[in-house]
Amino acid sequence: DIQMTQSPSTLSASVGDRVTITCRASQSISSWLAWYQQKPGKAPKLLIYKASSLESGVPSRFSGSGSGTEFTLTISSLQPDDFATYYCQQYNTYSWTFGQGTKVEIK
Amino acid sequence: QVQLVESGGGVVQPGGSLRLSCAASGFTFSSYGMHWVRQAPGKGLEWMAFVRYDGSNKYYADSVKGRFTISRDNSKNTLYLQMNSLRAEDTAVYYCAKVREMATTFDAFDVWGQGTMVTVSS
Repeated sequence: DIQMTQSPSTLSASVGDRVTITCRASQSISSWLAWYQQKPGKAPKLLIYKASSLESGVPSRFSGSGSGTEFTLTISSLQPDDFATYYCQQYNTYSWTFGQGTKVEIK
Repeated sequence: QVQLVESGGGVVQPGGSLRLSCAASGFTFSSYGMHWVRQAPGKGLEWMAFVRYDGSNKYYADSVKGRFTISRDNSKNTLYLQMNSLRAEDTAVYYCAKVREMATTFDAFDVWGQGTMVTVSS
C-alpha cells in the first residue's frame, strides 16, 4: 500500500498567517491527490482534488501544488474558520490511503 | 441537495454483526462509485471499501477483507456495509462518501454523510 506522511502533525498559527502543510507519498501517485478539512464532530470536506484543483465553493485562499511524491496545501491568509484538521489522500491505487492529519491550532 | 445519510450504527459485542446503510439523494446514485471510510475515536481517517457505480467491482482494506462486505441497491439509492466478526478495534464513526465524477473509480470524495457510530464492546 502507498503510505502518506503529513508534516507537521500540529501547527500553531495566527489569523492572517500563511500556512503550508506538506504531504509525501511513499511512491509516485502522479497528481491523484486530494486535501480535506475536518472540524470536530463533523464529516470531512473536500478542498482540493487532482493536487491543485479547487473544489467548487472553497475559498480561493486555499491552494494545492505538487506531483509525484511531494505535495503541499497552502492557506494564504488563515481565517478563524480555518482552524481544523487537514488530511491528504491518494487515489492512485485500489487501496485509497489518507495521511495521519495536520491539526491547525490557534497560536 | 446532494445528501448522504448513514444509519445502522450501535453497540455490538465482539464477534457480532451489524449492517450499515447509506441513503443517497439529490444525485443519480447509480452513476457514482461509493466508499466507506471510518474514523476511530481521536484518530485519523481510514478507507474501508469501494464499490463501482454498477456494483461490478469491489475493493477492501486489508484490515476488513473477508469480514466486511460492501454492496449497493441502485433501485433504492442505498449503499450498505455488512460487518461480521466485529472486533474492538472496529469501533469508529463510519462515513459513506461519493466519488466526485460519475462512472470513475479513481477520484476524490466530494460528498460525505454525517457518520454513524459503531461501538464493539462486551
